[in-house]
Amino acid sequence: GAVVSQHPSWVICKSGTSVKIECRSLDFQATTMFWYRQFPKQSLMLMATSNEGSKATYEQGVEKDKFLINHASLTLSTLTVTSAHPEDSSFYICSNSRTGPAYGYTFGSGTRLTVV
Amino acid sequence: AQSVTQLDSQVPVFEEAPVELRCNYSSSVSVYLFWYVQYPNQGLQLLLKYLSGSTLVKGINGFEAEFNKSQTSFHLRKPSVHISDTAEYFCAVSSGGYNKLIFGAGTRLAVHP
Repeated sequence: GAVVSQHPSWVICKSGTSVKIECRSLDFQATTMFWYRQFPKQSLMLMATSNEGSKATYEQGVEKDKFLINHASLTLSTLTVTSAHPEDSSFYICSNSRTGPAYGYTFGSGTRLTVV
Repeated sequence: AQSVTQLDSQVPVFEEAPVELRCNYSSSVSVYLFWYVQYPNQGLQLLLKYLSGSTLVKGINGFEAEFNKSQTSFHLRKPSVHISDTAEYFCAVSSGGYNKLIFGAGTRLAVHP
């Protein structure tokens, strides 16, 4: 099946610094990818839709200047948390999106971000 | 707008017993339905999906789900659970294409010996 590689799996950073998370679609070219955030014992909340070669579409309430998304190629989307603060600590998960007969979404293994 | 309701936040069950995790959805358009499982500190793994055709869908690890359009439900079932099935289960809906996937709140399945 489809494979999505997410890196790093965990990261600790100091408050005020920026952190970049990579999401790679390994077995097909993903025009569209999605970024989610998950707080402990809660569901996944969609943050933004990442579109190759164009600006990301952010969900209501998500600060686009804080959570920078770049989808420069058909296999790589990145999420950069800028000027991170402790409240940004969370589990971030990406997914790709495949249309056609194999329609569906494949998720990365997630990134645990801790801001200290 | 689409939404998903998972009716049980937690389901405790004994090993080898059957289990049903309930999911209801609302949508004004055709839907595609998914069940995912998440183990601690991991991403989501697809259990099964309904795109079209037979309303009874069989997935991995012995799970199955039935799409009921009249009741707008997509309940997940397994006839005999194992300790290793202990995890968080998410029901999700999409309207197709490159549209976003909307998740339910999740159901914590706890299998006891």
